[in-house]
Amino acid sequence: DTGVSQNPRHKITKRGQNVTFRCDPISEHNRLYWYRQTLGQGPEFLTYFQNEAQLEKSRLLSDRFSAERPKGSFSTLEIQRTEQGDSAMYLCASSLVWTGGPDTQYFGPGTRLTVL
Amino acid sequence: AQSVAQPEDQVNVAEGNPLTVKCTYSVSGNPYLFWYVQYPNRGLQFLLKYITGDNLVKGSYGFEAEFNKSQTSFHLKKPSALVSDSALYFCAVRDLVGGATNKLIFGTGTLLAVQP
Repeated sequence: DTGVSQNPRHKITKRGQNVTFRCDPISEHNRLYWYRQTLGQGPEFLTYFQNEAQLEKSRLLSDRFSAERPKGSFSTLEIQRTEQGDSAMYLCASSLVWTGGPDTQYFGPGTRLTVL
Repeated sequence: AQSVAQPEDQVNVAEGNPLTVKCTYSVSGNPYLFWYVQYPNRGLQFLLKYITGDNLVKGSYGFEAEFNKSQTSFHLKKPSALVSDSALYFCAVRDLVGGATNKLIFGTGTLLAVQP
């Protein structure tokens, strides 16, 4: 059973550039979440998908951020016109929704973004 | 609003001694609570969750957590600590606002340091 994978693991970019991250969830997981984690803090929710539908976006997710999950499998998170405040670890998690209670989210290794 | 608090930034314990990492929560309604562990430059690994039922929940790697409704706590415990348990531990609660989202709200984390 392969876990959640994320690429790239590290990204260094200059302010104003666009970046895109990819997340491949655990096979057959129908929910996919994006979180952001800054140093010394716990992860903060950004957005999530059920299959290919994006069902919720956090107010943290400015207009410069966009996420897609076109075929209900992998997802991409794009940040346009990056700012230094975007520097963080971007975590992806996937889960299998069931009717017996809350799903358990399994996290990938994250993509660490550094904006110079 | 739902929230969790981890009152200790760091917990130090000697190898072989029992360990406790504290977490308190604030929710409206029944809480769904989780513990995750994060090793350096890695994503979060799921340890255990409380949904309902027994107040003592057993999880991975010998960890367990005790749910206490009257004290609104969900402390993580292990009878005998290992040096390899040294890591950052996060408590999380399911956010019930917004319906079926299942997004998690994390605490700020507790660094566990186990001395040999």
